[in-house]
Amino acid sequence: QQPVQSPQAVILREGEDAVINCSSSKALYSVHWYRQKHGEAPVFLMILLKGGEQKGHEKISASFNEKKQQSSLYLTASQLSYSGTYFCGTAEYDYKLSFGAGTTVTVRA
Amino acid sequence: KAGVTQTPRYLIKTRGQQVTLSCSPISGHRSVSWYQQTPGQGLQFLFEYFSETQRNKGNFPGRFSGRQFSNSRSEMNVSTLELGDSALYLCASSLEVHTDTQYFGPGTRLTVL
Repeated sequence: QQPVQSPQAVILREGEDAVINCSSSKALYSVHWYRQKHGEAPVFLMILLKGGEQKGHEKISASFNEKKQQSSLYLTASQLSYSGTYFCGTAEYDYKLSFGAGTTVTVRA
Repeated sequence: KAGVTQTPRYLIKTRGQQVTLSCSPISGHRSVSWYQQTPGQGLQFLFEYFSETQRNKGNFPGRFSGRQFSNSRSEMNVSTLELGDSALYLCASSLEVHTDTQYFGPGTRLTVL
């Protein structure tokens, strides 16, 4: 079941904040966030697990509302390097990842 | 540490042919997953291998198959190619479990004519 991402696109100026949402109609085990720049492979940003555990290695924060099966990715004080397409991947208890359609983020100077 | 490598990077085939794509994971990683990325369907999960066993499979026809070798390298095969198989095929490796960080390779761009 493919998760729904919103918004489809967002344009920011450096220093501005944005939120990307990801929702599923299924009970989720984990939510994964990736960023992909044009012509490059996706890069892992964060995993959020049912029960509250989070793993991430970027200065980007996210939340996972287990009751609503929703996750949000917070881009704070955006930098030019934040530009790209952000994908959320959701896994139910079968561990198969389903990806959203992506949110294109453009950060301008 | 070397990253995930995929070969070939680009491939052009004709309908009806078959193709084999290769993925070498990061040293020490035992799990390899394959994904198909197209403009229309986005990123879709194909399958996952761990210790030479297919651990999970997405909703793709039987023309798509894969395997993993004892050194964790993985191959993906698509038989009887169709125009709709044109896509970027991405491989990702992780240490062991589903919740480990996945590292993606650069992908193989397959064009079916």
